[in-house]
Amino acid sequence: ETGVTQTPRHLVMGMTNKKSLKCEQHLGHNAMYWYKQSAKKPLELMFVYSLEERVENNSVPSRFSPECPNSSHLFLHLHTLQPEDSALYLCASSPTGMDSPLHFGNGTRLTVT
Amino acid sequence: GQQVMQIPQYQHVQEGEDFTTYCNSSTTLSNIQWYKQRPGGHPVFLIQLVKSGEVKKQKRLTFQFGEAKKNSSLHITATQTTDVGTYFCAGTRSGAGSYQLTFGKGTKLSVIP
Repeated sequence: ETGVTQTPRHLVMGMTNKKSLKCEQHLGHNAMYWYKQSAKKPLELMFVYSLEERVENNSVPSRFSPECPNSSHLFLHLHTLQPEDSALYLCASSPTGMDSPLHFGNGTRLTVT
Repeated sequence: GQQVMQIPQYQHVQEGEDFTTYCNSSTTLSNIQWYKQRPGGHPVFLIQLVKSGEVKKQKRLTFQFGEAKKNSSLHITATQTTDVGTYFCAGTRSGAGSYQLTFGKGTKLSVIP
């Protein structure tokens, strides 16, 4: 039990599909993150929310759309993805944001066909 | 932009041997964090170092933060098969004032029983 729950664990979608990834944290943290993990690449920060306000957006293509309705939930909406978007998508939370350690969820393994 | 380099990329050791991974940043860091990711798992926070020259120990693991706060190392004494996984360092640029935690590519450790 990580305290950060991601669903689904695995997702296969076609390039024309629309899907959403869900993340929920039970740790009372103020900041939530989306990271992308691809083979042979460092973990890439995609988005950061602090107290439900987006504070970082790392030049992520618009086919990825985050949503943070409250401090415990984070979504990543996906549409018209490309095969190179196939990766492990990790949600994380941290107590205060800057410089505080990350607690990761189990991730969603996404395959775009 | 900030870069965090880790070496080696892979390390195979016989069980009982020692293991060290090194992390170097192109900029001065406010802190360095270390994470471990088991095969098929998600990154798990191990430790955070903040002070120049800081050394911390966790059982067989020793973490160091360089005097200039630009490099760090993780040393495992007498490796066990449970140490298998990828070890990542991650740092925040000093004075950056952002949520940007930059990860290295990681060192993948294999332990031969």
